[in-house]
Amino acid sequence: DSGVTQTPKHLITATGQRVTLRCSPRSGDLSVYWYQQSLDQGLQFLIQYYNGEERAKGNILERFSAQQFPDLHSELNLSSLELGDSALYFCASSVASSGGSGELFFGEGSRLTVL
Amino acid sequence: DQQVKQNSPSLSVQEGRISILNCDYTNSMFDYFLWYKKYPAEGPTFLISISSIKDKNEDGRFTVFLNKSAKHLSLHIVPSQPGDSAVYFCAASAWDGKLTFGQGTILTVHP
Repeated sequence: DSGVTQTPKHLITATGQRVTLRCSPRSGDLSVYWYQQSLDQGLQFLIQYYNGEERAKGNILERFSAQQFPDLHSELNLSSLELGDSALYFCASSVASSGGSGELFFGEGSRLTVL
Repeated sequence: DQQVKQNSPSLSVQEGRISILNCDYTNSMFDYFLWYKKYPAEGPTFLISISSIKDKNEDGRFTVFLNKSAKHLSLHIVPSQPGDSAVYFCAASAWDGKLTFGQGTILTVHP
C-alpha cells in the first residue's frame, strides 16, 4: 500500500461527458502528480501541483483540468470526453516539490473507459 | 517526442538467470534516472535510482548501470525470480524535477 488513494477505481462513461478523478496523497506529501497511461504507452505526465499551486505542466489537453485543495487532495477533471481518453489515470505524490531526486508514490490508478 | 525509450516491449527469462532491461534517452539535461516496477492492478512502485554523476548503483539483486556518453541505462536483476515478473518502467528527470517515463518492458520470469 503506497498510501496514495485514488477514486474511483473504474469508471465507464459516454463520449461528450465529464468526469472527475480524485486523489488523496500520502500523509505529509505536498506534491501531487497526474499521469495518463494509454494502451501500449508509457506513463504520460499531465500535471503537477505543489501545496495547492500548479508546479509543472505536461501534455495535458485543454479539455482536462486539475486542482489541489487546501487539504492537499487533488482532482483531475476530464470534459468533452472522447474515445481516445480511455486510459489508466495515475496519481502520485511526493514530499518535495521536485520529483527528480525523490521517488514518487503512486496510487492504484483510475481506469476510465469512454464508450 | 519520446525522450525516454524502452525498445523492448517484453523480455522472457528463466528463473535464476540474469534479466537485463534497457532504456535509452535523448535529453542530455536529464540528471537523475529511476526504475519503477508495476504489477497488474497496482500502481508503479519505485525500485532503484541513479544520479548522473554515478555509473552504477546496486541494491541487492538489482543493479542499474548508466552510460552517459551513450545515453543508455540498464537494469540488471540477478538472480531473476518468478516474483520479479512485472512491467518495468524507466524514468528520467531534469532540473524541473518532472519525471519522463518510458513505455515499459514486460518481464516474465519462468520457473
